[in-house]
Amino acid sequence: DGGITQSPKYLFRKEGQNVTLSCEQNLNHDAMYWYRQDPGQGLRLIYYSQIVNDFQKGDIAEGYSVSREKKESFPLTVTSAQKNPTAFYLCASSWGPGQRTEAFFGQGTRLTVV
Amino acid sequence: AQTVTQSQPEMSVQEAETVTLSCTYDTSESDYYLFWYKQPPSRQMILVIRQEAYKQQNATENRFSVNFQKAAKSFSLKISDSQLGDAAMYFCAYRRQNYGGSQGNLIFGKGTKLSVKP
Repeated sequence: DGGITQSPKYLFRKEGQNVTLSCEQNLNHDAMYWYRQDPGQGLRLIYYSQIVNDFQKGDIAEGYSVSREKKESFPLTVTSAQKNPTAFYLCASSWGPGQRTEAFFGQGTRLTVV
Repeated sequence: AQTVTQSQPEMSVQEAETVTLSCTYDTSESDYYLFWYKQPPSRQMILVIRQEAYKQQNATENRFSVNFQKAAKSFSLKISDSQLGDAAMYFCAYRRQNYGGSQGNLIFGKGTKLSVKP
């Protein structure tokens, strides 16, 4: 079955550590996105990528980095520069411009700083 | 920049009754898409319904329907015959239609938590 897989489901980070969240899709979507969800804040865009080897900062990119070396994969690294990383992270993907427009989401990763 | 506002942080409905969730948005564009997503306790985001701005007819999906008022920039979701499984966070979202090389991401409201009472 086609879909988006995020791993791990739960992740714990120590102070000063970098951690990487995985996102893989087999829907042949061109575009991929990372959102952060905090209570009462809705979903805020961290980074997005419309095509392989290209990505753009979203509204809250500071302290995060991404790569898009393959169409199927869009990993997110939470660096030590992110001062408040505890949150729920959602990865999404969609078709390119002019095609069906809804986004599909993974099941999320809950990141906690310990 | 586009914004999406959901003015009801929480709503409650009796099982089998009807409830309407509100959403307003701000944009200067004429062509765009609007969505309602559902996020149950599992936190999986599920598409409920979609509306193209160029269509005057309101979208309907089984018990879910929208009231799309383009001039008022309003996009409410009506849930009929509410069921216990409808209890979830509901997010309204906006997406540009012709985004070309620029961002085509969804812009979300802050959500409405819906409770369904048996």
